[in-house]
Amino acid sequence: SQQGEEDPQALSIQEGENATMNCSYKTSINNLQWYRQNSGRGLVHLILIRSNEREKHSGRLRVTLDTSKKSSSLLITASRAADTASYFCATDAEVAGAQKLVFGQGTRLTINP
Amino acid sequence: DGGITQSPKYLFRKEGQNVTLSCEQNLNHDAMYWYRQDPGQGLRLIYYSQIVNDFQKGDIAEGYSVSREKKESFPLTVTSAQKNPTAFYLCASSINLDTGELFFGEGSRLTVL
Repeated sequence: SQQGEEDPQALSIQEGENATMNCSYKTSINNLQWYRQNSGRGLVHLILIRSNEREKHSGRLRVTLDTSKKSSSLLITASRAADTASYFCATDAEVAGAQKLVFGQGTRLTINP
Repeated sequence: DGGITQSPKYLFRKEGQNVTLSCEQNLNHDAMYWYRQDPGQGLRLIYYSQIVNDFQKGDIAEGYSVSREKKESFPLTVTSAQKNPTAFYLCASSINLDTGELFFGEGSRLTVL
């Protein structure tokens, strides 16, 4: 079963615009993380937000968390062509009796120059 | 520089053959993980290990095997029992099993001919 699901599945915007991606999850969490993956590469950790936090910033990234709605959003401001990548949210869920990170299917972001 | 090294980057296998993917880390992390990623999909957990000589099955362990003889190394063997092995395999590590930040390798792409 999918713990985290991103929306939209794909997003295409012009350079300089803001990009917003959403993540919904099903069970209570300790934290939620966002990762970035360039095509054919490994994932890179972007930001972690804990369940008792509502908003977090890192450079051009802004993450919000609404535990009552079980959702999070990732905002990338002033997008650049280099931001083109897939973005994944990851939440902790029980896997085989232990708490593990479970990844959503990702949002593919394309920044058009 | 500290990090995770996966090899080979690309691997081709004939049906019925076992293949082993290498994963080495010099981050002094206790926990290591193997994920499988199919095109346009998120990551699914195959196996994870908290400590040397101990490992646990994830969501999709059937047809795979691992070992953890050294803290730095966590090789994955894709056996002939895995019915659909063509995929992108990602190794990751973290300080411990608590659901904090994961550090990923660059991945190994396995194609069955």
